[in-house]
Amino acid sequence: DAKTTQPNSMESNEEEPVHLPCNHSTISGTDYIHWYRQLPSQGPEYVIHGLTSNVNNRMASLAIAEDRKSSTLILHRATLRDAAVYYCILVSGNTGKLIFGQGTTLQVKP
Amino acid sequence: DAMVIQNPRYQVTQFGKPVTLSCSQTLNHNVMYWYQQKSSQAPKLLFHYYDKDFNNEADTPDNFQSRRPNTSFCFLDIRSPGLGDAAMYLCATSRDFRSNTAGEQYFGPGTRLTVT
Repeated sequence: DAKTTQPNSMESNEEEPVHLPCNHSTISGTDYIHWYRQLPSQGPEYVIHGLTSNVNNRMASLAIAEDRKSSTLILHRATLRDAAVYYCILVSGNTGKLIFGQGTTLQVKP
Repeated sequence: DAMVIQNPRYQVTQFGKPVTLSCSQTLNHNVMYWYQQKSSQAPKLLFHYYDKDFNNEADTPDNFQSRRPNTSFCFLDIRSPGLGDAAMYLCATSRDFRSNTAGEQYFGPGTRLTVT
């Protein structure tokens, strides 16, 4: 399974945008880029996913580099409830398995 | 609301005493997964069911078994729990297994297992 690299932790101020980076230089053509987040004491929650084009939904935006070797999850206005561990995961279109890395712990300051 | 339900939320068992964790879903999804998440670690896939087909991860210990009697329910059986099996156990579902939405999984709140 192709691996991802994320910073261990990031900080943001409330109501400011947050850009969470992810590197996936060994991504294959059939891999989808998924983002999940896990709030304290809860199960992971699906955020967004994409293949080649940038994607937007009510939770976040996903910007995918043209060569697909990196991506960025964008939270447009961070709130205290966005404090969580954010996981960037490559999912093979052939298996659908989620192989979690260590993720980025996002701290949001008031 | 459609959801993934796990019972109990907290389970205490004794060393070596078999324990069963349960998961149910109202999403009518074909695939159900079990993950283990130890303290300060990321979730780790143990196995999954696609409909009635069971798929074990290569490094999942034999001590862990699973049953899926119908579409809605899936059970995780730990035959002889050791202290190292103390963890959060997460159940998840997805609509299908090989599609562009295959990675879109819905997780339950988890069962925290303590082994004494």
